[in-house]
Amino acid sequence: DTEVTQTPKHLVMGMTNKKSLKCEQHMGHRAMYWYKQKAKKPPELMFVYSYEKLSINESVPSRFSPECPNSSLLNLHLHALQPEDSALYLCASSPREGVDQPQHFGDGTRLSIL
Amino acid sequence: AQKVTQAQTEISVVEKEDVTLDCVYETRDTTYYLFWYKQPPSGELVFLIRRNSFDEQNEISGRYSWNFQKSTSSFNFTITASQVVDSAVYFCALSDYSGYALNFGKGTSLLVTP
Repeated sequence: DTEVTQTPKHLVMGMTNKKSLKCEQHMGHRAMYWYKQKAKKPPELMFVYSYEKLSINESVPSRFSPECPNSSLLNLHLHALQPEDSALYLCASSPREGVDQPQHFGDGTRLSIL
Repeated sequence: AQKVTQAQTEISVVEKEDVTLDCVYETRDTTYYLFWYKQPPSGELVFLIRRNSFDEQNEISGRYSWNFQKSTSSFNFTITASQVVDSAVYFCALSDYSGYALNFGKGTSLLVTP
């Protein structure tokens, strides 16, 4: 079982819907990440939070809005998504932000936009 | 420029065969970190190993072994006596100080058949 828990595992939504993805870890990690992964492609970094503050935003469209309410929880709020946003969204955490830090990933949320 | 090259897109082997997954990387930094991740069909990326640039010692973990050669900028992964459960996509990744993201290769899809 993964130590990074993501919910829901699957999500189907229309382009006008608002939904949220949730990620939780209880390893005491202080860096958390959101990735987007299209089929047969490697993960692409979206956001990095370090000590609950947004550290990196990889020029992600504003229809994706991250939130880190506390050190264990990371959300990704979705609004007015496009069909091309259909993908696997992966959350990861590491003890801290840094090039030497192995990231631990959740199972992901498979998102389909109708 | 692509920092991590996994030239093998797909590999198919029969159970109990040995298989080597190639990874070639590119960086100008003298300090950097290399990672291997496994992604089974369930979606989760499983961290397998981290190696820093100053440690060229090969590593063995059960049926898994890694060969790091700075002279050829390679960090190859060998599975001995492969099993069906080894079927997955394997990603090699590089982290250095020129950026802040994990640079993933495109992945190698390994299929182990009975």
